[in-house]
Amino acid sequence: DGGITQSPKYLFRKEGQNVTLSCEQNLNHDAMYWYRQDPGQGLRLIYYSQIVNDFQKGDIAEGYSVSREKKESFPLTVTSAQKNPTAFYLCASNHQTFNEQFFGPGTRLTVL
Amino acid sequence: GQQLNQSPQSMFIQEGEDVSMNCTSSSIFNTWLWYKQDPGEGPVLLIALYKAGELTSNGRLTAQFGITRKDSFLNISASIPSDVGIYFCAGQPPPNNAGNMLTFGGGTRLMVKP
Repeated sequence: DGGITQSPKYLFRKEGQNVTLSCEQNLNHDAMYWYRQDPGQGLRLIYYSQIVNDFQKGDIAEGYSVSREKKESFPLTVTSAQKNPTAFYLCASNHQTFNEQFFGPGTRLTVL
Repeated sequence: GQQLNQSPQSMFIQEGEDVSMNCTSSSIFNTWLWYKQDPGEGPVLLIALYKAGELTSNGRLTAQFGITRKDSFLNISASIPSDVGIYFCAGQPPPNNAGNMLTFGGGTRLMVKP
């Protein structure tokens, strides 16, 4: 089945630790995105990548880092510099020609 | 960045009632998308609109791309309990160097009373 997978579904980390969230897609999409969602809030763009080996900062990139070494993978690292990392993280992707973004199931990160 | 105002923020309705929600912007958009998000899950695309004035249906859902290109509407007819969730609008501005960036509304939380 084609789709976007995110792992793990739930993640707990101690304050001060870096943590990497996985996002994989087998839709052959060119562009991939990371969003953050806080309770009762909309989606805020962290980073996006339109092509392998290239990525751009979104609206709230501070304290986060990404890589795009393969077309199908776009991992997000939440660093210790992120002041309030506890949130629901969503990965999305789309083909360059079409505007519809498709989302993964999300990873809920809790920093203790 | 651009802002999308989505209203209402929440709705609590009786099963069987119709629902209307909308998104407005101060800027024009080339594309409007409507998503539904169930608790703890990723948003699922419901309807995509590409042309000003376009009216598109998906089962009991109907969405319209406003003539001014600055707004969009989503209607749900004869609501059922599984309609519960958060509905998001998203708009894509005219082409620029930033790629296919979407701007999201704040969401409408729909609650349905059986």
